[in-house]
Amino acid sequence: KQEVTQIPAALSVPEGENLVLNCSFTDSAIYNLQWFRQDPGKGLTSLLLIQSSQREQTSGRLNASLDKSSGRSTLYIAASQPGDSATYLCAVRIGGFKTIFGAGTRLFVKA
Amino acid sequence: DAGVIQSPRHEVTEMGQEVTLRCKPISGHDYLFWYRQTMMRGLELLIYFNNNVPIDDSGMPEDRFSAKMPNASFSTLKIQPSEPRDSAVYFCASSSSRADANQETQYFGPGTRLLVL
Repeated sequence: KQEVTQIPAALSVPEGENLVLNCSFTDSAIYNLQWFRQDPGKGLTSLLLIQSSQREQTSGRLNASLDKSSGRSTLYIAASQPGDSATYLCAVRIGGFKTIFGAGTRLFVKA
Repeated sequence: DAGVIQSPRHEVTEMGQEVTLRCKPISGHDYLFWYRQTMMRGLELLIYFNNNVPIDDSGMPEDRFSAKMPNASFSTLKIQPSEPRDSAVYFCASSSSRADANQETQYFGPGTRLLVL
C-alpha cells in the first residue's frame, strides 16, 4: 500500500531564507508527483507536477526534484517571503488516476 | 475559466439528514475527483470519474455515500443519512488527460465545509 510522508510537519523560517521540504513515498511505481499549496480555509493550488520520467521541474522561485528509485521528492523554495506561508502537500499518482496525499508541511515565513 | 465551482460553501445539518454537495468541473476536463479532508486523516480520495463514468470508488467510506456525474459539467456527492463523523471539508477537483502543458494537473475547488450536529 502506497504511503506518502512529509517532513517536517511544520517549519518556521525568517524571510529571505532558502528552504527545502521533503516528501517520501513507499512504492516507486508512480506515474507522477505533484506539489500543492493550501492556504487556510482554501482549496489546493497546484505548484508543480513531475512526471515519473522527469527529474525536476521549476517555476519561478520553486524547484521540485524527483528520485523515483529512492522514493523521494524535494520542494526547494528560494528567497522565501511571508506570502509563501501556507501548507505544502505532495501527492503521488498511482494506478489509474488514483492520487495519494501526504499530510503536508505547514510553513511560516517570518517578516 | 472560473475554475472548479462547488456549492454550497458551508453546510450545517443535523444527524440523519440528507446532504448533497455539488461540483462543476473546469470545462473540457475529463476527470473529476471527490476528496475529503479532516485533521485526523488528511486528504483522502473518495471517488473519481472519467468521462462521467465512475472509475474507482474504493475510497467511499460507506453505503451512505453516493456520487453521480450525469453530464460532463456537473457532479454530486450525497450523504444519506449524515452522521457527525462525516463532518469534514469536501473538495472536488478536475483534470485533463489531453497532452498539453497542464496534462494531469489537478485543479481544486474551494471546498464545502460540512458540519453534522
